[in-house]
Amino acid sequence: AQSVTQPDIHITVSEGASLELRCNYSYGATPYLFWYVQSPGQGLQLLLKYFSGDTLVQGIKGFEAEFKRSQSSFNLRKPSVHWSDAAEYFCAVGAGFNKFYFGSGTKLNVKP
Amino acid sequence: SAVISQKPSRDICQRGTSLTIQCQVDSQVTMMFWYRQQPGQSLTLIATANQGSEATYESGFVIDKFPISRPNLTFSTLTVSNMSPEDSSIYLCSVVTAQGLTDTQYFGPGTRLTVL
Repeated sequence: AQSVTQPDIHITVSEGASLELRCNYSYGATPYLFWYVQSPGQGLQLLLKYFSGDTLVQGIKGFEAEFKRSQSSFNLRKPSVHWSDAAEYFCAVGAGFNKFYFGSGTKLNVKP
Repeated sequence: SAVISQKPSRDICQRGTSLTIQCQVDSQVTMMFWYRQQPGQSLTLIATANQGSEATYESGFVIDKFPISRPNLTFSTLTVSNMSPEDSSIYLCSVVTAQGLTDTQYFGPGTRLTVL
């Protein structure tokens, strides 16, 4: 069965520090992979997506993610976190035209 | 990409009443969906809104409780009927745009519903 796991419910990092949010998926074929960010009181904004090709994808706001097929992972990274990055981050797998599976989310807190 | 608006952005309702949420997209899209995000949880797909026909509901969701309309390719409504406090959630409209051979899902800003 398809599933997405985000093992970290909460993460706290200091401003300026690097960030990595983990995402593991289970899917029988090559998935479409997405990261979304949800700021407090806001809807979901697409950060980046992977469909094929280069396994390192660049997104908005300085984020990047790397697809590792052998590990069934699609971790999100940012070299230097800003206070405005505090939000909840969702990993998602697209398994066809109308099937998207979301992880449970990781809440990021940024310390000054 | 697609720009999606939802109305209302939030509402506080009494138990037993119904609320209709509107979703408007700035371009014609094939697929429109409705999700629920309960407090502190991830997104759960309620149904796929089909243009010109009945919506397709996911397990655990029924038409009598969540009637959906989609009269054209840019607009849909979700009604939350006979509300109870358990229906307090954020309701999100989303669309899928086909970009070549790939699909990307975009979300509206959500409607925050509180049922007293």
